[in-house]
Amino acid sequence: EAGVAQSPRYKIIEKRQSVAFWCNPISGHATLYWYQQILGQGPKLLIQFQNNGVVDDSQLPKDRFSAERLKGVDSTLKIQPAKLEDSAVYLCASSLVADRGYNEQFFGPGTRLTVL
Amino acid sequence: GQNIDQPTEMTATEGAIVQINCTYQTSGFNGLFWYQQHAGEAPTFLSYNVLDGLEEKGRFSSFLSRSKGYSYLLLKELQMKDSASYLCAVSLNQAGTALIFGKGTTLSVSS
Repeated sequence: EAGVAQSPRYKIIEKRQSVAFWCNPISGHATLYWYQQILGQGPKLLIQFQNNGVVDDSQLPKDRFSAERLKGVDSTLKIQPAKLEDSAVYLCASSLVADRGYNEQFFGPGTRLTVL
Repeated sequence: GQNIDQPTEMTATEGAIVQINCTYQTSGFNGLFWYQQHAGEAPTFLSYNVLDGLEEKGRFSSFLSRSKGYSYLLLKELQMKDSASYLCAVSLNQAGTALIFGKGTTLSVSS
Protein backbone atom coordinates (compact mmCIF):
# COMPACT_ATOMS: atom_id res chain seq x y z
CA GLU A 1 0.00 0.00 0.00
CA ALA A 2 1.42 3.38 -0.98
CA GLY A 3 1.91 5.85 1.83
CA VAL A 4 1.14 9.54 2.06
CA ALA A 5 3.00 11.42 -0.66
CA GLN A 6 4.21 15.00 -0.36
CA SER A 7 6.10 17.34 -2.61
CA PRO A 8 8.40 19.10 -2.73
CA ARG A 9 10.58 17.59 -0.01
CA TYR A 10 12.59 20.79 0.43
CA LYS A 11 11.94 24.42 -0.42
CA ILE A 12 13.97 27.56 0.17
CA ILE A 13 12.36 30.94 -0.43
CA GLU A 14 12.85 34.52 0.62
CA LYS A 15 10.45 36.28 2.95
CA ARG A 16 7.39 37.78 1.31
CA GLN A 17 7.49 35.16 -1.45
CA SER A 18 4.75 32.59 -1.98
CA VAL A 19 5.02 28.82 -1.70
CA ALA A 20 2.70 25.84 -2.17
CA PHE A 21 2.87 22.30 -0.88
CA TRP A 22 1.08 19.27 -2.26
CA CYS A 23 -0.19 16.15 -0.50
CA ASN A 24 -1.68 12.91 -1.81
CA PRO A 25 -3.18 10.83 1.04
CA ILE A 26 -3.47 7.07 1.27
CA SER A 27 -6.17 5.82 -1.07
CA GLY A 28 -9.55 5.66 0.64
CA HIS A 29 -8.60 7.86 3.59
CA ALA A 30 -11.38 10.37 4.13
CA THR A 31 -9.56 12.59 6.61
CA LEU A 32 -6.55 14.70 5.79
CA TYR A 33 -4.48 16.87 8.14
CA TRP A 34 -1.79 19.50 7.68
CA TYR A 35 0.60 19.98 10.59
CA GLN A 36 3.42 22.47 11.11
CA GLN A 37 6.47 21.19 12.99
CA ILE A 38 9.00 23.79 14.06
CA LEU A 39 12.46 22.47 14.96
CA GLY A 40 12.45 21.02 18.47
CA GLN A 41 8.66 21.05 18.78
CA GLY A 42 5.87 18.58 18.26
CA PRO A 43 3.60 18.90 15.23
CA LYS A 44 0.86 21.53 15.46
CA LEU A 45 -2.38 21.10 13.56
CA LEU A 46 -3.05 23.75 10.92
CA ILE A 47 -6.14 22.35 9.22
CA GLN A 48 -8.19 19.16 9.06
CA PHE A 49 -10.38 18.06 6.15
CA GLN A 50 -13.09 15.42 6.12
CA ASN A 51 -13.48 14.53 2.44
CA ASN A 52 -13.42 18.01 0.85
CA GLY A 53 -14.91 19.90 3.80
CA VAL A 54 -12.98 21.71 6.53
CA VAL A 55 -13.46 20.24 10.02
CA ASP A 56 -11.01 22.41 11.96
CA ASP A 57 -8.93 25.36 10.81
CA SER A 58 -8.85 27.24 14.10
CA GLN A 59 -5.03 27.37 14.19
CA LEU A 60 -4.50 28.27 10.55
CA PRO A 61 -3.14 31.84 10.15
CA LYS A 62 -5.74 32.73 7.58
CA ASP A 63 -4.18 36.07 6.66
CA ARG A 64 -1.35 34.21 4.96
CA PHE A 65 -2.13 30.51 4.88
CA SER A 66 -4.76 28.79 2.75
CA ALA A 67 -5.54 25.17 1.99
CA GLU A 68 -7.89 23.27 -0.21
CA ARG A 69 -8.80 19.68 -0.89
CA LEU A 70 -10.44 19.42 -4.24
CA LYS A 71 -12.56 16.34 -4.93
CA GLY A 72 -11.77 15.02 -1.47
CA VAL A 73 -8.40 13.54 -2.46
CA ASP A 74 -5.27 15.64 -3.02
CA SER A 75 -4.65 18.76 -1.00
CA THR A 76 -2.52 21.88 -1.35
CA LEU A 77 -1.32 24.22 1.37
CA LYS A 78 -0.23 27.72 0.37
CA ILE A 79 1.62 30.46 2.20
CA GLN A 80 1.44 33.98 0.80
CA PRO A 81 3.46 35.95 1.80
CA ALA A 82 5.93 33.89 3.79
CA LYS A 83 7.57 35.13 7.00
CA LEU A 84 10.79 34.01 8.64
CA GLU A 85 8.84 32.25 11.40
CA ASP A 86 7.18 30.00 8.81
CA SER A 87 10.41 28.03 8.53
CA ALA A 88 9.36 24.54 9.58
CA VAL A 89 8.50 21.07 8.32
CA TYR A 90 4.98 20.82 6.96
CA LEU A 91 3.55 17.37 7.52
CA CYS A 92 0.52 15.93 5.82
CA ALA A 93 -1.30 13.02 7.45
CA SER A 94 -4.37 10.98 6.61
CA SER A 95 -6.69 8.58 8.39
CA LEU A 96 -9.57 6.34 7.42
CA VAL A 97 -12.41 8.13 9.21
CA ALA A 98 -12.81 10.98 11.65
CA ASP A 99 -14.80 9.56 14.51
CA ARG A 100 -14.37 9.68 18.26
CA GLY A 101 -12.52 6.44 18.60
CA TYR A 102 -9.20 5.01 17.62
CA ASN A 103 -7.95 6.97 14.70
CA GLU A 104 -4.40 6.18 13.58
CA GLN A 105 -2.90 8.89 11.45
CA PHE A 106 -0.35 8.06 8.76
CA PHE A 107 2.17 10.80 8.08
CA GLY A 108 3.93 11.75 4.89
CA PRO A 109 7.67 12.54 4.75
CA GLY A 110 7.04 16.27 5.07
CA THR A 111 8.21 19.37 3.25
CA ARG A 112 11.06 21.26 4.90
CA LEU A 113 10.58 25.00 4.28
CA THR A 114 13.34 27.49 4.88
CA VAL A 115 12.44 31.19 4.67
CA LEU A 116 15.43 33.52 4.31
CA GLY B 1 -5.41 25.77 27.03
CA GLN B 2 -3.93 22.40 26.24
CA ASN B 3 -0.71 21.30 27.92
CA ILE B 4 1.33 18.16 27.32
CA ASP B 5 4.65 17.75 29.11
CA GLN B 6 7.43 15.26 28.50
CA PRO B 7 11.17 15.36 29.17
CA THR B 8 13.25 16.99 26.47
CA GLU B 9 16.08 14.47 26.37
CA MET B 10 16.98 11.05 27.73
CA THR B 11 19.98 8.80 27.30
CA ALA B 12 20.33 5.05 27.76
CA THR B 13 22.56 2.15 26.75
CA GLU B 14 21.89 -0.79 24.48
CA GLY B 15 19.97 -3.61 26.15
CA ALA B 16 18.62 -1.38 28.89
CA ILE B 17 15.02 -0.39 29.70
CA VAL B 18 13.87 3.23 29.52
CA GLN B 19 10.61 4.86 30.57
CA ILE B 20 9.45 8.09 28.93
CA ASN B 21 6.82 9.94 30.92
CA CYS B 22 4.07 12.20 29.65
CA THR B 23 1.63 14.31 31.64
CA TYR B 24 -1.29 16.11 30.08
CA GLN B 25 -3.90 18.73 30.96
CA THR B 26 -6.41 19.07 28.17
CA SER B 27 -9.97 20.29 27.77
CA GLY B 28 -11.04 16.84 26.63
CA PHE B 29 -9.66 13.36 26.25
CA ASN B 30 -10.36 10.67 23.70
CA GLY B 31 -7.18 8.68 23.81
CA LEU B 32 -3.42 9.04 24.03
CA PHE B 33 -0.99 8.17 21.26
CA TRP B 34 2.74 7.61 21.16
CA TYR B 35 4.62 8.24 17.93
CA GLN B 36 8.28 7.64 17.05
CA GLN B 37 10.08 10.12 14.84
CA HIS B 38 13.59 9.57 13.52
CA ALA B 39 15.52 12.68 12.58
CA GLY B 40 14.31 14.07 9.26
CA GLU B 41 11.53 11.53 8.95
CA ALA B 42 7.78 11.43 9.49
CA PRO B 43 6.25 10.31 12.78
CA THR B 44 5.20 6.67 12.88
CA PHE B 45 2.52 5.22 15.16
CA LEU B 46 3.64 3.19 18.19
CA SER B 47 0.68 2.83 20.53
CA TYR B 48 -2.77 3.99 21.57
CA ASN B 49 -4.37 3.99 25.04
CA VAL B 50 -7.91 5.06 25.82
CA LEU B 51 -8.55 2.98 28.95
CA ASP B 52 -6.43 2.88 32.10
CA GLY B 53 -3.76 0.24 32.16
CA LEU B 54 -0.89 -1.20 30.23
CA GLU B 55 -0.82 -2.01 26.52
CA GLU B 56 2.06 -4.24 25.43
CA LYS B 57 3.36 -4.58 21.90
CA GLY B 58 6.64 -6.41 21.55
CA ARG B 59 9.50 -4.41 23.08
CA PHE B 60 7.25 -1.38 23.57
CA SER B 61 4.56 -0.91 26.22
CA SER B 62 2.41 2.09 27.02
CA PHE B 63 0.56 2.88 30.23
CA LEU B 64 -2.28 5.29 30.92
CA SER B 65 -3.84 6.72 34.06
CA ARG B 66 -6.69 9.05 33.11
CA SER B 67 -7.34 10.18 36.69
CA LYS B 68 -3.73 11.36 36.98
CA GLY B 69 -3.41 12.69 33.44
CA TYR B 70 -0.34 10.52 33.04
CA SER B 71 1.13 8.11 30.56
CA TYR B 72 4.46 6.45 29.97
CA LEU B 73 6.13 4.62 27.13
CA LEU B 74 8.39 1.75 28.17
CA LEU B 75 11.07 0.54 25.81
CA LYS B 76 12.81 -2.73 26.62
CA GLU B 77 15.98 -4.31 25.24
CA LEU B 78 17.04 -1.03 23.74
CA GLN B 79 18.72 -1.05 20.34
CA MET B 80 20.71 1.65 18.61
CA LYS B 81 17.87 2.09 16.10
CA ASP B 82 15.61 3.20 18.95
CA SER B 83 17.47 6.52 19.00
CA ALA B 84 14.70 8.91 17.95
CA SER B 85 12.21 11.45 19.21
CA TYR B 86 9.15 10.04 20.98
CA LEU B 87 6.01 12.14 20.75
CA CYS B 88 3.12 11.94 23.18
CA ALA B 89 -0.19 13.13 21.68
CA VAL B 90 -3.73 13.46 22.99
CA SER B 91 -6.89 13.17 20.93
CA LEU B 92 -9.57 15.55 22.23
CA ASN B 93 -13.20 14.51 22.39
CA GLN B 94 -14.36 17.23 20.10
CA ALA B 95 -15.64 17.13 16.56
CA GLY B 96 -12.59 16.18 14.58
CA THR B 97 -9.87 13.98 15.90
CA ALA B 98 -6.71 15.95 15.33
CA LEU B 99 -3.93 15.33 17.81
CA ILE B 100 -2.36 17.70 20.30
CA PHE B 101 1.32 16.82 20.47
CA GLY B 102 3.89 17.32 23.19
CA LYS B 103 7.30 18.68 22.23
CA GLY B 104 8.81 15.22 22.09
CA THR B 105 11.53 13.39 24.01
CA THR B 106 14.81 12.81 22.18
CA LEU B 107 16.21 9.43 23.20
CA SER B 108 19.86 8.66 22.54
CA VAL B 109 20.94 5.03 22.81
CA SER B 110 24.66 4.33 23.10
CA SER B 111 26.64 1.11 22.96
